Amino acid sequence: DAEITQSPRHKITETGRQVTLACHQTWNHNNMFWYRQDLGHGLRLIHYSYGVHDTNKGEVSDGYSVSRSNTEDLPLTLESAASSQTSVYFCASSEGGGNTDTQYFGPGTRLTVL
Amino acid sequence: GNSVTQMEGPVTLSEEAFLTINCTYTATGYPSLFWYVQYPGEGLQLLLKATKADDKGSNKGFEATYRKETTSFHLEKGSVQVSDSAVYFCALSDPTGGFKTIFGAGTRLFVKA
Repeated sequence: DAEITQSPRHKITETGRQVTLACHQTWNHNNMFWYRQDLGHGLRLIHYSYGVHDTNKGEVSDGYSVSRSNTEDLPLTLESAASSQTSVYFCASSEGGGNTDTQYFGPGTRLTVL
Repeated sequence: GNSVTQMEGPVTLSEEAFLTINCTYTATGYPSLFWYVQYPGEGLQLLLKATKADDKGSNKGFEATYRKETTSFHLEKGSVQVSDSAVYFCALSDPTGGFKTIFGAGTRLFVKA
């Protein structure tokens, strides 16, 4: 069965370190998204991609970067981790057919920055 | 800009009670509307959706009707179960917003046996 996976599921790091969160989907979807989930804020979009070599900034992109070198993967990098980036991170993908698309979510990565 | 507002939680109900979670939206175009559910420790998953005005989405006993005149998409279930305890997110996807999905803040539901 097609799926979307994230790794690691839990990560503890220190302020100032670079961290990369992996996202891999086997749906062969064009669109991929990264969100962060914080109490009281729901899900906020960090970056998104509509295809290979395409990346776009979301509403909370400062301090984060992504690259899309193939269809399956969209890794999220925190250039220099800050305590404000402690959160639960979700990756999602969608087919790319338009605004009726369903998004399929990974299980999430809980990141703690000390 | 586009936005989604849903009722604050938590909502606590007894088993077999009627559930309503209110959701209203603002959009510049003609959006599709969604309800996603998040069970503890998991990612979100689609519960139901409606893609045009007056459409009714339904799944697992949950229903929501796309009301353009009131810009609403309220989630209802006639008889909740303990297993429905989760966080529910209302969302919209608007073609004028580049097909990105905008999520509400989520409403946590607790169902007591």
